[in-house]
Amino acid sequence: NAGVTQTPKFRVLKTGQSMTLLCAQDMNHEYMYWYRQDPGMGLRLIHYSVGEGTTAKGEVPDGYNVSRLKKQNFLLGLESAAPSQTSVYFCASTNSDTQYFGPGTRLTVL
Amino acid sequence: SQELEQSPQSLIVQEGKNLTINCTSSKTLYGLYWYKQKYGEGLIFLMMLQKGGEEKSHEKITAKLDEKKQQSSLHITASQPSHAGIYLCGAVPPLIQGAQKLVFGQGTRLTINP
Repeated sequence: NAGVTQTPKFRVLKTGQSMTLLCAQDMNHEYMYWYRQDPGMGLRLIHYSVGEGTTAKGEVPDGYNVSRLKKQNFLLGLESAAPSQTSVYFCASTNSDTQYFGPGTRLTVL
Repeated sequence: SQELEQSPQSLIVQEGKNLTINCTSSKTLYGLYWYKQKYGEGLIFLMMLQKGGEEKSHEKITAKLDEKKQQSSLHITASQPSHAGIYLCGAVPPLIQGAQKLVFGQGTRLTINP
């Protein structure tokens, strides 16, 4: 039981490049979330999903897209990366009260 | 929208000392979560509080939720180096708890000096 995993762990992009972050969970959770963490701002919700095939916007969705084609996977895409998207990205999942978090992806956009 | 304010933003204590971290909500809380994050790692769930006046303990960490359900405190007794990290409180707004859209405080960075 691996819990919540994220790939990659680190990535450096140039402005305008695209990439996809993968989140996978093996706990059969319905809900999955993508957050970003910036210094002094805690975690902010980007997008979330309440089940396979569904997605919804969170607090800071602009510049990101997501997909939940399979229940266990939640993908976060950046179509045209900007320096403002330099951050640490966390994925989480839950079926009940407790959200379980992945180890994070540190993204730098130059 | 609901906002959470944590205080202090950073805290440096000597090993063995007690400490308290506070989390104040702008609105009544449906649920309040405490997480710990080690530097460069993910979040580890500590405790969840839902009832006014509720108090939970795990090892040397105690969390309380006030009767009005707008403020929570996290107290560490006899701090150890393993307690160092960033502590975050998270809350589920009352009307949308079904989607579990957590709102987080900005975090408190705890350093334990030997």
